[in-house]
Amino acid sequence: DIQMTQSPSSVSASVGDTVTITCRPSQGISNWLAWYQQKPGKAPKLLIYATSNLHSGVPSRFSGSGSGTYFSLTISGLQPEDSATYYCQQTNSFPWTFGQGTKVEI
Amino acid sequence: EVQLVETGGSLVHPGGSLRLSCAASGFAVRGSYMTWVRQAPGKGLEWVSTIDSSDVTYYAGSVRGRFTISRDNSKGTVSLQMNSLRDEDTAMYYCVRDDYGSGSDWGQGTLVTVSS
Repeated sequence: DIQMTQSPSSVSASVGDTVTITCRPSQGISNWLAWYQQKPGKAPKLLIYATSNLHSGVPSRFSGSGSGTYFSLTISGLQPEDSATYYCQQTNSFPWTFGQGTKVEI
Repeated sequence: EVQLVETGGSLVHPGGSLRLSCAASGFAVRGSYMTWVRQAPGKGLEWVSTIDSSDVTYYAGSVRGRFTISRDNSKGTVSLQMNSLRDEDTAMYYCVRDDYGSGSDWGQGTLVTVSS
């Protein structure tokens, strides 16, 4: 199984800051990486698919990059509504696996 | 508009069975990758099972042999039959439509509690 190591586990930042979350798969996954945002009591929402593609309706302050065994999600110009937990997921091979999550506090 | 509505979650005793259903609208279930993801209370997301566009099924090791995913194209539903339930199966279960290799649409979830 591919292990997804996500870091940091939590981060505290201010409005307007830039935050970067990283995800390291235990083996190469091509570009089959997605990022999700989850707020308390809600279902996750897709932010980024295939490493760097912004899902419909997602603000452009979210961006993704990476390849192989290193991926990142960057939130530029943090907004109060970005307070949430963020997860990466690989869909290169089954079993699909998620990172453990990063809680972003503002 | 894509909509996924899960039903069937409840309190069940260890060793019991439960069938979750996901009613899909706004797209054709036939030929779509459909997935179940669960989240234990206070924990992260865990992929459970996927049925692909050719009806090939995949399972997490923790549920293989106990859970079965299926779809009914005529009804536009996806189901998860869960047998031999364990305490550790307690979680919110989400139905997910996959597109471009990612969970593009999620239902609101249905809660399964396994407890004596």
